[in-house]
Amino acid sequence: SYELTQPPSVSVSPGQTARITCSGDALPKQYAYWYQQKPGQAPVLVIYKDSERPSGIPERFSGSSSGTTVTLTISGVQAEDEADYYCQSADSSGSVVFGGGTKLTVL
Amino acid sequence: EVQLVESGGGLVKPGGSLRLSCAASGFTFSSYSMNWVRQAPGKGLEWVSSISSSSSYIYYADSVKGRFTISRDNAKNSLYLQMNSLRAEDTAVYYCARKVVAEDAFDIWGQGTMVTVSS
Repeated sequence: SYELTQPPSVSVSPGQTARITCSGDALPKQYAYWYQQKPGQAPVLVIYKDSERPSGIPERFSGSSSGTTVTLTISGVQAEDEADYYCQSADSSGSVVFGGGTKLTVL
Repeated sequence: EVQLVESGGGLVKPGGSLRLSCAASGFTFSSYSMNWVRQAPGKGLEWVSSISSSSSYIYYADSVKGRFTISRDNAKNSLYLQMNSLRAEDTAVYYCARKVVAEDAFDIWGQGTMVTVSS
């Protein structure tokens, strides 16, 4: 299976825009998914198929894709958005891979 | 309410075995592929295994292949993970997760069950 690479941390002030990247060689061929995980809680799906938002997820969460990199964008960051964020994809053999995770700090 | 509840975690010695269970409710369990995902203390998410709705397709991460066995009982709305030859590095919270139909995303997660492998 392949690897997905994320920055370990991203910091942003409230109201600003946070961008979290995820890079992987297979991303041009495979969809990416994003999860938010707060301490002591299970992950929550926030973006699927690169840029689709599940029902119940605030509009400030969006996703995009360009070549081997996908990006999770959080516009107008709020204190409650402070969490770990993980990208995830799959390969044609049935294996699933997660990125290493990015800790978003709201200053 | 759509829900997944894991059980069966605990403390086990290296080389020992443990069987995890995941009880599903609030949805048609037999229609969904299911997965196990784990998270070591202070670390990221790691996919462990997946099983298709009818158990026809089963996949494992290389780190557990040959030691772990995933299974399901659609009549009991339950998912299982039999873990043998456990190692210290298997210490983690184990989550069961539902896979979105025709997608590779996991839309429903349980609260997790802790497995500690230590002498």
